[in-house]
Amino acid sequence: DTAVSQTPKYLVTQMGNDKSIKCEQNLGHDTMYWYKQDSKKFLKIMFSYNNKELIINETVPNRFSPKSPDKAHLNLHINSLELGDSAVYFCASSPLGTFSEKLFFGSGTQLSVL
Amino acid sequence: GENVEQHPSTLSVQEGDSAVIKCTYSDSASNYFPWYKQELGKGPQLIIDIRSNVGEKKDQRIAVTLNKTAKHFSLHITETQPEDSAVYFCAASSVKLTFGTGTRLTIIP
Repeated sequence: DTAVSQTPKYLVTQMGNDKSIKCEQNLGHDTMYWYKQDSKKFLKIMFSYNNKELIINETVPNRFSPKSPDKAHLNLHINSLELGDSAVYFCASSPLGTFSEKLFFGSGTQLSVL
Repeated sequence: GENVEQHPSTLSVQEGDSAVIKCTYSDSASNYFPWYKQELGKGPQLIIDIRSNVGEKKDQRIAVTLNKTAKHFSLHITETQPEDSAVYFCAASSVKLTFGTGTRLTIIP
């Protein structure tokens, strides 16, 4: 299936741990994003990569480090997890020439930090 | 930066009636206004979008209107059906996409 797929779907972990979320898109898109959705459903951009280059880096703590090995993948590594990191994290991608437009979202990773 | 306000936060309508969700934005440089639908347990899905050089766009039962002068835009859903129940987000973009706070739409059969 053509899609934006992210794994795992659920992630439950203890405070202080380090975890990663993987994202892959097979749509041939050039730009990929990470969004955070909090408990009130508010969606906020964290990072954006265009063809493996960082374009947007919002005021996200240094504990969050995105990595794009190629334009089809954008992974998110989180160090020293905190309670406030609990949220749903969405990966998204958009076609060439449509930066921040026509986003295709993955189904989300629900992160719970205990 | 851009600030997008969305109202109402919850909306219940009888099946077959119309639903209207309204958004305002602050950055006059914003030129792209999409609407996303998020069903339970899924990621947001683009349902319609409009650019600042267009005042209205329609796609079957869904329409979006834009008033650049007043900096507001609206989503109109006609002949609502149970499958329209979801959370709807407006957004505005000049460089990066800023989302509204969402509207939980419930269609009452």
